[in-house]
Amino acid sequence: EAGVVQSPRYKIIEKKQPVAFWCNPISGHNTLYWYRQNLGQGPELLIRYENEEAVDDSQLPKDRFSAERLKGVDSTLKIQPAELGDSAVYLCASSPRTGNTEAFFGQGTRLTVV
Amino acid sequence: AQSVTQLGSHVSVSEGALVLLRCNYSSSVPPYLFWYVQYPNQGLQLLLKYTTGATLVKGINGFEAEFKKSETSFHLTKPSAHMSDAAEYFCAVSDPLAAGNKLTFGGGTRVLVKP
Repeated sequence: EAGVVQSPRYKIIEKKQPVAFWCNPISGHNTLYWYRQNLGQGPELLIRYENEEAVDDSQLPKDRFSAERLKGVDSTLKIQPAELGDSAVYLCASSPRTGNTEAFFGQGTRLTVV
Repeated sequence: AQSVTQLGSHVSVSEGALVLLRCNYSSSVPPYLFWYVQYPNQGLQLLLKYTTGATLVKGINGFEAEFKKSETSFHLTKPSAHMSDAAEYFCAVSDPLAAGNKLTFGGGTRVLVKP
């Protein structure tokens, strides 16, 4: 069974430029998460989807971040415009259903803003 | 609100020695507890989890952890370290009463294994 797939693995952009990350969760997983992991820290939740609905986006900086999950499968996370402080690893995870206790993580996208 | 504290951002052990990684949590309700491992440039992989039942939980790669409610702790151990255990380890909690299994992570402990 394929795991959570993220692309790109690495991205370097100049500040003020836009950037997008893509995530393909495990087939059949209804719940999808985006986490941000700053250097030397644990991941922090940005947004959680149940199917195509964003049910927890309280930690998403909505002035510059946006996300979508069309048809309840793949998801994209966008930053526009990027700031130096956005440099981090962006992790996508999925879970079979609400209440399931295990989340499966992708390899992440390492973003460097210069 | 929940929080997780991992004591020691770096731990160095000799190959064959005991690995002990400490995790304490703060939560208004008994949480679900997790340990994840992250190898360089990789995502997080679940080592083990505690939800209910037996408080001593065994996971993959010879790791185990014990939930101690009175101490609000969930320390991770492995009797004999192997070179392949060099990685970063994250303790996490979630609220079983909340929808969606949002994970709150500690800051991580990087393990170095010396030959």
